[in-house]
Amino acid sequence: ETGVTQSPTHLIKTRGQQVTLRCSSQSGHNTVSWYQQALGQGPQFIFQYYREEENGRGNFPPRFSGLQFPNYSSELNVNALELDDSALYLCASSPTGLAGGPGDNEQFFGPGTRLTVL
Amino acid sequence: KQEVTQIPAALSVPEGENLVLNCSFTDSAIYNLQWFRQDPGKGLTSLLLIQSSQREQTSGRLNASLDKSSGRSTLYIAASQPGDSATYLCAARKRGGYQKVTFGTGTKLQVIP
Repeated sequence: ETGVTQSPTHLIKTRGQQVTLRCSSQSGHNTVSWYQQALGQGPQFIFQYYREEENGRGNFPPRFSGLQFPNYSSELNVNALELDDSALYLCASSPTGLAGGPGDNEQFFGPGTRLTVL
Repeated sequence: KQEVTQIPAALSVPEGENLVLNCSFTDSAIYNLQWFRQDPGKGLTSLLLIQSSQREQTSGRLNASLDKSSGRSTLYIAASQPGDSATYLCAARKRGGYQKVTFGTGTKLQVIP
């Protein structure tokens, strides 16, 4: 069983550009969450997807958007990049919950994508 | 709004010492609390998950406890090793409705050989 994978590992963009980060969930995990971790800080919740629908969102502007695909892989898209968007972006998947509901228990994290905005 | 605090921010101990990391949360209506380890520039590795109905969980040299009434969780590491050097993060998952997860800022642990 493969773990959670993310691509790319590192990315450098300039202000105003757009970026797409990708995450492949563990097999059997139907819920994925995305987090932003600035240097020296704990991860901040961006949003969660369950069955291809956004299932909750943190305090991030609409230029942060996501997608989840039928195979439960997902994307994080950020438009109009700002310098403060420089961070480690982490995705986490959770096993399918009771009766096929959202995964609401243990989270398994990928290695992250380091985004630098110049 | 849930706030999660971890004290101390950094800790340095000699190899072999037993140590305790602290995690405090303001909203006791949690679903579970999870402890993670993070190596520099890397993702998070799950260490222990404590459900709200549990008081503690153990895995090898690690023991995590949960006291919802006081809003505290502790991670006990026995016989520390240099390989334990990392940042340790706790995360509280809210109960009810959409179950948001709130992380602490972490404790950076250095175990000196």
